[in-house]
Amino acid sequence: SALTQPASLSGSPGESITISCTGATHDFSIHNYVSWYFQPPARAPQLVIYDVSFRPSGVSSRFSGSKSGVTASLTISGLRTEDEGTYFCSSYTDSDTLLFGGGTTLTVL
Amino acid sequence: QVQLVESGGGSVRPGGSLKLSCAASGFPFNTYFMTWIRQTPGKRLEWIANINPSASSIFYSESVKGRFTISRDNTKNSLFLQMNSLTAEDTAIYYCARDSTVPQDWGQGILVSVSS
Repeated sequence: SALTQPASLSGSPGESITISCTGATHDFSIHNYVSWYFQPPARAPQLVIYDVSFRPSGVSSRFSGSKSGVTASLTISGLRTEDEGTYFCSSYTDSDTLLFGGGTTLTVL
Repeated sequence: QVQLVESGGGSVRPGGSLKLSCAASGFPFNTYFMTWIRQTPGKRLEWIANINPSASSIFYSESVKGRFTISRDNTKNSLFLQMNSLTAEDTAIYYCARDSTVPQDWGQGILVSVSS
């Protein structure tokens, strides 16, 4: 995958965790078309961050995004059990295609 | 609220065809780019195609180019995906999504299974 994420992470309730997404393409490093999706078990993905750091209406302020160079990050603060699931980063490219990372499975212990 | 409902999935033999539909409501369909995305059995997400509001601009992933055709009917608020020459590697859950650069709303997905 052109977007690399850790396969899994875990944290305890109340802690903060950060999921990284490293891009291998030039346009990933220069553009801000990075989004993050959360997929609960057996459900469709839902958008939690777009354009690197913006939250859609209704998404908790516990979710925040950032990007530095070729690495984007999603931070979840105050972990809750309902945050368990898989997180995907995505990036829109200059060739009008959409790339996805391989996904990070988050376990809240 | 935005609703996207996929239909038309199922089981098909290798080499066969299927046509997926996506019924959209809750937003001005004829003003939005639309996208098809699939999720493999290994949970990997793969972008397949997108289409602009007038259907004058369409893009496909290399893995489906020449086999799949995305289309839309703005009079019926519907998005389609015609899938031909299907192989086992096309087995996945298929999602339609609103917008292209940031697919912000997704349907519940529909399963397509290709096997002999």
